Amino acid sequence: SQTIHQWPATLVQPVGSPLSLECTVEGTSNPNLYWYRQAAGRGLQLLFYSVGIGQISSEVPQNLSASRPQDRQFILSSKKLLLSDSGFYLCAWSHRETYGYTFGSGTRLTVV
Amino acid sequence: SQQGEEDPQALSIQEGENATMNCSYKTSINNLQWYRQNSGRGLVHLILIRSNEREKHSGRLRVTLDTSKKSSSLLITASRAADTASYFCATDAISGAGSYQLTFGKGTKLSVIP
Repeated sequence: SQTIHQWPATLVQPVGSPLSLECTVEGTSNPNLYWYRQAAGRGLQLLFYSVGIGQISSEVPQNLSASRPQDRQFILSSKKLLLSDSGFYLCAWSHRETYGYTFGSGTRLTVV
Repeated sequence: SQQGEEDPQALSIQEGENATMNCSYKTSINNLQWYRQNSGRGLVHLILIRSNEREKHSGRLRVTLDTSKKSSSLLITASRAADTASYFCATDAISGAGSYQLTFGKGTKLSVIP
């Protein structure tokens, strides 16, 4: 069966520090991968998506970046965090044929 | 940008009652999906309805889709305290790269009182 792992679950980082959030998928190949951010009491904002290794599309200009070094690994990074980067970050995967998204458990990031 | 908009933003009902949440969207879609999110957790896919379908059932869930009005509703029958969560509708968008993206609404926060 397919599983998705996202870590860490919570993170408190000072302003200006770097960020690396990792997401891995098991039990499937060539998934579409996504990073979403959810601000408190709001909907999900698509940050990045990837259809294959090394292929990253950005939806929102910001100081975040994403990489896909392996087929089932998706990494969200920042060189210098801002206060406004605080939020709940969710990784998800899907296949074109099945449409539904499977989400990870999320990372609560607080920038202080 | 937000495609789906849920209504109401918050809903509080007694256990055993039915809960109805609505979603409106702006552009043509291939399918519409509903997700559930428990507080502080990831989203869980509940049900998908295709644009050529008008109604779909899954257990205590009933979803309707009216493409002429660009709206959908999610009905949870005989609600339970465990149904307390936020519910999101999501619509698809086919990008030029051939990927598949969902655009989510802001959600309806459902509270079921025991």
